[in-house]
Parts: sequence; structure tokens; C-alpha cells
Amino acid sequence: AQSVTQLDSHVSVSEGTPVLLRCNYSSSYSPSLFWYVQHPNKGLQLLLKYTSAATLVKGINGFEAEFKKSETSFHLTKPSAHMSDAAEYFCVVKLTGGYNKLIFGAGTRLAVHP
Amino acid sequence: EPEVTQTPSHQVTQMGQEVILRCVPISNHLYFYWYRQILGQKVEFLVSFYNNEISEKSEIFDDQFSVERPDGSNFTLKIRSTKLEDSAMYFCASSEGQDTQYFGPGTRLTVL
Repeated sequence: AQSVTQLDSHVSVSEGTPVLLRCNYSSSYSPSLFWYVQHPNKGLQLLLKYTSAATLVKGINGFEAEFKKSETSFHLTKPSAHMSDAAEYFCVVKLTGGYNKLIFGAGTRLAVHP
Repeated sequence: EPEVTQTPSHQVTQMGQEVILRCVPISNHLYFYWYRQILGQKVEFLVSFYNNEISEKSEIFDDQFSVERPDGSNFTLKIRSTKLEDSAMYFCASSEGQDTQYFGPGTRLTVL
């Protein structure tokens, strides 16, 4: 069965310091992987996606993620946090090959302090 | 930039009543989805819709739920007889192909 585990429910960083949000996936097949962000009272916005091309994926707002098959991980990073990055982040997996449903992780709430 | 829109943003209803949640997907998209997030829980897939029929559904999507694309722009989710446990945030999404799904802002449904 496919699943996604976000290893931290809450992460707190200071503005200007690096961000690391951890995600591990379980999939029998080659997955597509996504990170979505949800700001308060907003919808789910796509940050970036991995679909079996380059293993290092760059997204919006300076975020990037690296697909590591050997570790079944897809961690999200950003070199320098900004106050506006405070939000909830979801790691998401989708099977390839005709399946459409997305499987969400539980989410990581990122707090950014001045 | 085109986006998915949903109405209403918040719906309050009495248990047993029917509700219809509305979505306008991105105009050139062909695949449509509903997900829900019960407070404090994960976002869960409900149903996907393509070519005027359901292509996938979860076990949550029982006979109380239905979806429809009544015209060229709207995509609706109907809950026939709401239960307390249907209280959740409902997200609509759409995609051009079977790849990236774009989400709306959600409708918060409260069943009293």
C-alpha cells in the first residue's frame, strides 16, 4: 500500500535560517511526489513536484526537494526561511500508471520566528 | 493565473439535510476531484471524475455522496443526508492530464 509519513508535525525556525521538512514514502511502483503548502484560510498550493526526471527538484519561493530512492525520502528544504513561509506543508504521493488519487501526509506546521 | 474556485466558503447545515458544494475547475482541465479534511486529520481522497463519469472513488464515497458536472464549468459534490461526521473541509481539485492537481480554497462544512 502507498503511504506518506511526515516525520515532524511541527517545525520552528528563526528567520534567515535553513528549513528542513522531512518526508518518507512507501510505494510499490514509481511514484510521483509533490509538496503542497497551505497558508491560513487559503487553498492547497503546489510548491514542487517530482515525476522521475531530475532527482533534485526546484519549486517556488526558493524551496527545493531531493528524491532519494534508496532512502524512500523526499525532504523539502529552503536555505533561508522568511516570515511568509509560515504555513502547513503536505508531502503527497501519487501512483503512476493511470491512478489519480493523491495520498497526503499528515502535514508539518512550520513556524518562523523573527 | 487561472485557479479553482469553490462556493460557499462556509456551509452550516442541520443533520439529515442535503448539501451541494460547488466548484469551478480551471477551464481547460479534464479531470476533477474532491478531497476532504476532517479537523485534525489527513486530507483524504473522495472521488475523481473524467469524461462525465466517476473514474475512482474511495470507500468514504458511499451512496450518500454524488458528483455531477451539470454544465461546462461547474463540478458539484452532493451529500444527500448529512451526518455529524461529514463536518470537514472539502477541497475540489482539477488537472489537465493525470499529473498535477490544482486545488481550490475549500468549503468548510459544519453539520449541527
